Amino acid sequence: SQKIEQNSEALNIQEGKTATLTCNYTNYSPAYLQWYRQDPGRGPVFLLLIRENEKEKRKERLKVTFDTTLKQSLFHITASQPADSATYLCALDKTGGYNKLIFGAGTRLAVHP
Amino acid sequence: EAGVAQSPRYKIIEKRQSVAFWCNPISGHATLYWYQQILGQGPKLLIQFQNNGVVDDSQLPKDRFSAERLKGVDSTLKIQPAKLEDSAVYLCASTQSRGRGVYEQFFGPGTRLTVL
Repeated sequence: SQKIEQNSEALNIQEGKTATLTCNYTNYSPAYLQWYRQDPGRGPVFLLLIRENEKEKRKERLKVTFDTTLKQSLFHITASQPADSATYLCALDKTGGYNKLIFGAGTRLAVHP
Repeated sequence: EAGVAQSPRYKIIEKRQSVAFWCNPISGHATLYWYQQILGQGPKLLIQFQNNGVVDDSQLPKDRFSAERLKGVDSTLKIQPAKLEDSAVYLCASTQSRGRGVYEQFFGPGTRLTVL
């Protein structure tokens, strides 16, 4: 069955460092992958989307890579700030572009001053 | 632009009772989703509407859950009767998608349901 894995343990880093979050998937060939941020008590908020034919996407301090051979996406936050502390969810399209997403369980990031 | 609205924000009920959640998507968004998010897990799709038609309800427990989007705008999700394992946050999301195409999903704040 289709499976998405994200680091289940919280990631603790120091302010100013680069945070790297991992999303691995199996039994799957998604057309694209999305990353969302979720704060406690709130719904997820879209951050970035990367398609299967793209290797890398950037937006301000965020960078996403997508390796369809390794079946892995990496999400980087450079120059991290305490305000970046949240849970980050990866989500894969399961329908070849019909906007049906499967979400990972998310990785909680804590950035310490 | 107003975001996705959901109500109520919190609900506590006894098992075997009924409960309903309401969602109003972003104006003009044709596709609406209901997700269930259990603590510590990612959102799990329950049902997807395009306008007022159901696109996918394969993971909706139809013996107790029902959903409708009669006029292709707002939507209601109902649970009857509720079980302890239904305790979760119910998220509504919408996109401007009208079929194939890649769009971000906009989420509401969710309704936190506790079943005692």
